[in-house]
Amino acid sequence: QVQLQESGPGLVKPSQTLSLTCTVSGGSVSSGNYYWSWIRQPAGKGLEWIGRMHISGSTNYYPSLENRVTLSVDTSKNQFSLKLSSVTAADTAVYYCAREVANGYNYWNYWGQGTLVTVSS
Amino acid sequence: EIVLTQSPGTLSLSPGERATLSCRASQNVRISYLAWYQQKLGQAPRLLIHGASSRATGIPDRFSGSGSGTDFTLTISRLEPEDFAVYYCQQYGTLPLTFGGGTKVEIE
Repeated sequence: QVQLQESGPGLVKPSQTLSLTCTVSGGSVSSGNYYWSWIRQPAGKGLEWIGRMHISGSTNYYPSLENRVTLSVDTSKNQFSLKLSSVTAADTAVYYCAREVANGYNYWNYWGQGTLVTVSS
Repeated sequence: EIVLTQSPGTLSLSPGERATLSCRASQNVRISYLAWYQQKLGQAPRLLIHGASSRATGIPDRFSGSGSGTDFTLTISRLEPEDFAVYYCQQYGTLPLTFGGGTKVEIE
C-alpha cells in the first residue's frame, strides 16, 4: 500500500521560501508510471493544484504559481519536494502531496494526510 | 484554464435521501476526464469517481457519476450518516488541473 507523508516547517515568514518534503513508502518516486503532485487548501476553502513532476524531469505548474514554484525529487530518500518562494499570507494552507493514478490519468488515489503551513511574521 | 462550478454550495438532506450534486465546466472536459472526491473535516480527499462514471476501488454502489462535455453529476442514492461531507469535482483532461469549489452535504 502506497503511503505519502508531508513534512516541513509549520510557520514561514512573509517573503521567505516555503519548503516541504513528501516521503513515499510502499512505492518508488523513481517509477516512470506516475506523476507526483502538490495540492493545497486554505482553511475553509477549496482545493488548488500547485504542480506535478515526473522522474523524467517533466513538470507542470498552475500558471499563477509557476514563477514561484520549484519541484524536485530525491530518489535516494524516495522523496519529492516543493519550494514556494516569496510567500505571503495568501499561501497559508494545508499542503497535500499526492500520486496520480497513472500516466495520462491525472487524478489522485493516494494522498498524504496534509500539513498546515502558516505564513506569518 | 477550465473553470468548474459546483452547485449547490450546500445541500441539506436527511439520511436515506437522495443527493444530486452538479459540476459544470467552462469548456468541454476532454474524454470525460472528470473525477469526484469526498472530503471529511481534517482529512485528505478520497477518490470516489473517475472518468465521470467509474467508481474507484472500494466505493459503495450508492455513489454514481454521470455526464459528459460540460455537465456532470454525482448522485448518492441513499445517504448514509458517513456520507455527510464536502464533495469536489476535478477535471484532468486539460492542464492546468482544476477543481470545483465544492458542495457541502449536511444533515438537515
